[in-house]
Amino acid sequence: LAKTTQPISMDSYEGQEVNITCSHNNIATNDYITWYQQFPSQGPRFIIQGYKTKVTNEVASLFIPADRKSSTLSLPRVSLSDTAVYYCLVGAWTNAGKSTFGDGTTLTVKP
Amino acid sequence: GAVVSQHPSRVICKSGTSVKIECRSLDFQATTMFWYRQFPKQSLMLMATSNEGSKATYEQGVEKDKFLINHASLTLSTLTVTSAHPEDSSFYICSASYPGTSNEKLFFGSGTQLSVL
Repeated sequence: LAKTTQPISMDSYEGQEVNITCSHNNIATNDYITWYQQFPSQGPRFIIQGYKTKVTNEVASLFIPADRKSSTLSLPRVSLSDTAVYYCLVGAWTNAGKSTFGDGTTLTVKP
Repeated sequence: GAVVSQHPSRVICKSGTSVKIECRSLDFQATTMFWYRQFPKQSLMLMATSNEGSKATYEQGVEKDKFLINHASLTLSTLTVTSAHPEDSSFYICSASYPGTSNEKLFFGSGTQLSVL
């Protein structure tokens, strides 16, 4: 199972774009990259998932370089309500649940 | 996205009692569900994998007789903390594997805060 490394914390201000990078040097061929958001005393919420290049949905974009050894979650124009812990998970498509949660990145958005 | 319901959200019990936590996939069938434990300001730790119709698979260090898991249907898994003690106090979270078109995705319940007095 691929180990992931993320910055422990990040600060931003309302309206800014935030990019959180995750390193996963030993990612396997079948592994997908998934990002989750977690608020205190709540379960993680699915944000976005990708395999390579770029994926975009209504809340975020995910950039994955060709070597797939890292990925970047991009949150456009953050608001105070985006203050949360963000986790990247790397796991094979039939084994997503066995992915190990890293320490996550605590994003604090300031007014 | 898919919805996973977890109940109760909070439970306080006396030491020595057993507590059951339910995890339901509301709009999809989940052959596999997962149970996690999370301590304050820490990451989620996978406790066990719950497979419908078969015995759960526990992670190393997790006592299977302490944390009983039942996955009797494609939409329900339960975790029973038996003879709970204060050290079992924690935030317990379940997830269900949602079979996507390209890759499985995990959807999580809202968590259960267990406090053992």
